[in-house]
Amino acid sequence: DIQMTQSPSTLSASVGDRVTITCRASQTINNWLAWYQQRPGKVPKLLIYGASTLESGVPSRFSGSGSGTEFILTISSLQPGDFATYYCQQYANYPRTFGQGTKVETK
Amino acid sequence: EVQLVESGGGLVQPGGSLRLSCAAFGFTFNDYWMNWVRQIPGGGLEWVANIKYDGSEKYYVDSVKGRFTIARDNTENSVYLQMNSLRADDTAVYYCARDSAWRSGWSYYFDNWGQGTLVTVSS
Repeated sequence: DIQMTQSPSTLSASVGDRVTITCRASQTINNWLAWYQQRPGKVPKLLIYGASTLESGVPSRFSGSGSGTEFILTISSLQPGDFATYYCQQYANYPRTFGQGTKVETK
Repeated sequence: EVQLVESGGGLVQPGGSLRLSCAAFGFTFNDYWMNWVRQIPGGGLEWVANIKYDGSEKYYVDSVKGRFTIARDNTENSVYLQMNSLRADDTAVYYCARDSAWRSGWSYYFDNWGQGTLVTVSS
């Protein structure tokens, strides 16, 4: 199985901050990576696929980069609704696997 | 608008069975792979199984192989998860999720999610 490891597990930040979350795959997945946001008590929401393609309707302050085994999700200027947990997910192989999540909380 | 509505969750004893259902609305159901993803309350996400748009391929995470079966009925626009020999560590919210793959030989990421149904396995 491909293991996905996110860092950090928790991130404390303020509105307006630039935030970066890293996701590492245990083997190469090319760019077959998606990012999701899950607000407290809500359903996961797709943000980015193909490592860097923004899903329709997602604000442009979100961006993704990387290929191979290392990937980054960046929020350029954190907004109040961005305090949430973020997950990466690979779809290069079965079983599909997620990172353990990164919780972005208020500093 | 895509809508996925799960049902069938509840409390079941270890060793018991449950059948989850997911009714799909707002898209051509028989064009898409469908998935089940679960989440332990307060925990992370785990992909459980998926099924090709025509039902010809099915894949499972190892921990449920031989116990869970995914199926679909394209005439009813529904996907199902039959769960047998349930264990305490199957306790989770189970989400039905549409795959982004449209009539593809490969499945990808999850672009629409249902609200989830809670399965609790306890004596």
